[in-house]
Amino acid sequence: QSALTQPASVSGSPGQSITISCTGTSSDVGSYNLVSWYQQHPGKAPKLMIYEGSKRPSGVSNRFSGSKSGNTASLTISGLQAEDEADYYCCSYAGSSTFLFGTGTKVTVL
Amino acid sequence: EVQLVESGGGLVQPGGSLRLSCAASGFTFSSYWMSWVRQAPGKGLEWVANIKQDGSEKYYVDSVKGRFTISRDNAKNSLYLQMNSLRAEDTAVYYCAAGSRLSYWGQGTLVTVSS
Repeated sequence: QSALTQPASVSGSPGQSITISCTGTSSDVGSYNLVSWYQQHPGKAPKLMIYEGSKRPSGVSNRFSGSKSGNTASLTISGLQAEDEADYYCCSYAGSSTFLFGTGTKVTVL
Repeated sequence: EVQLVESGGGLVQPGGSLRLSCAASGFTFSSYWMSWVRQAPGKGLEWVANIKQDGSEKYYVDSVKGRFTISRDNAKNSLYLQMNSLRAEDTAVYYCAAGSRLSYWGQGTLVTVSS
């Protein structure tokens, strides 16, 4: 059960779009459309941003979108804002009611 | 308003035990899968365990199987994690989270395993 692979860091200027990848295997990301994305600001609890690959919970900005291709899921943040600076984690269902998180990506707004 | 409040963390020696609690309010606790997720200092998130609405099914990450036990009391709207044979690598902030999507999270409780 190795963690899903994410880039350690991604950066962008205000207003730009950035994409964070999350690579798993055919046993997790590739087998289920059950990838979630979480935002975590320093010292705070994670917050659900995307579930089931591309769905947004009520109250989450439509600047956040999710997709999947094969064993890789992606989170795109468009119109980057200073408040988007945080750590982001993907999480995939891995079968037998277990879950696997990604390694995490630090997003920096330049 | 959904609230999840963890408690029970602290400093414990290697090989020791600790019981974490999570008090839930603002939603129908008995209708939700519940999970524990941990985060070692400066590290990423790790799913630890989850439990079905009625407590009939429980699942664990391999590294805690046989040492940790998740349970719940729907009458008290509470989730628990009994942690035995603790190791240094169990040092982390432990979060409880509600729902199969981990929709709601508490603020976490710090567990430090050290001599």
